[in-house]
Amino acid sequence: GAGVSQTPSNKVTEKGKYVELRCDPISGHTALYWYRQSLGQGPEFLIYFQGTGAADDSGLPNDRFFAVRPEGSVSTLKIQRTERGDSAVYLCASSLENVITGELFFGEGSRLTVL
Amino acid sequence: KQEVTQIPAALSVPEGENLVLNCSFTDSAIYNLQWFRQDPGKGLTSLLLIQSSQREQTSGRLNASLDKSSGRSTLYIAASQPGDSATYLCAVPHAGKSTFGDGTTLTVKP
Repeated sequence: GAGVSQTPSNKVTEKGKYVELRCDPISGHTALYWYRQSLGQGPEFLIYFQGTGAADDSGLPNDRFFAVRPEGSVSTLKIQRTERGDSAVYLCASSLENVITGELFFGEGSRLTVL
Repeated sequence: KQEVTQIPAALSVPEGENLVLNCSFTDSAIYNLQWFRQDPGKGLTSLLLIQSSQREQTSGRLNASLDKSSGRSTLYIAASQPGDSATYLCAVPHAGKSTFGDGTTLTVKP
């Protein structure tokens, strides 16, 4: 696609529910990143995929968070038993190879609100 | 651990002024540095990417400089316009992923 696409753009859910956020990276980009951004702060790293495998998941806050990229393109971030503290904007980014050599491109984000 | 700091957190200027935004990082062993713009409720838009071998990168009214040895980068905006009002963030790759500052929120008054 022309840019990084994220769906849904907004998600409101109740505490304890399960949520899936989807990211469709720029075509041909092998690196995919998930970040979380709270109001007034910079994006906070969650997980990085190189191809199908998670190269670094050190930013995932706990085992309620999980992400997959089964075919090396679209990725899904999954949050189980959501808590009010999970409310944030979840940003996805992609890069042609990795951020060492290339530019990072972001989607518009998915705003998650947990009531 | 790489830490990125942006000062000031907020800046307000009258239209037409030239201004400088600052970004500092603690680990100077970087490959590149990227500046982004973020409008309220939107994602991040890439403005400039400076490779570690470069000292400057220009795009229109924007000029970014990089001094690895001192751990600093600046984003210079010439002849500011109200449409430049946004939050500007810098990001530095480290250990395979980028670390971001908290940004500088710029307001350009007409």
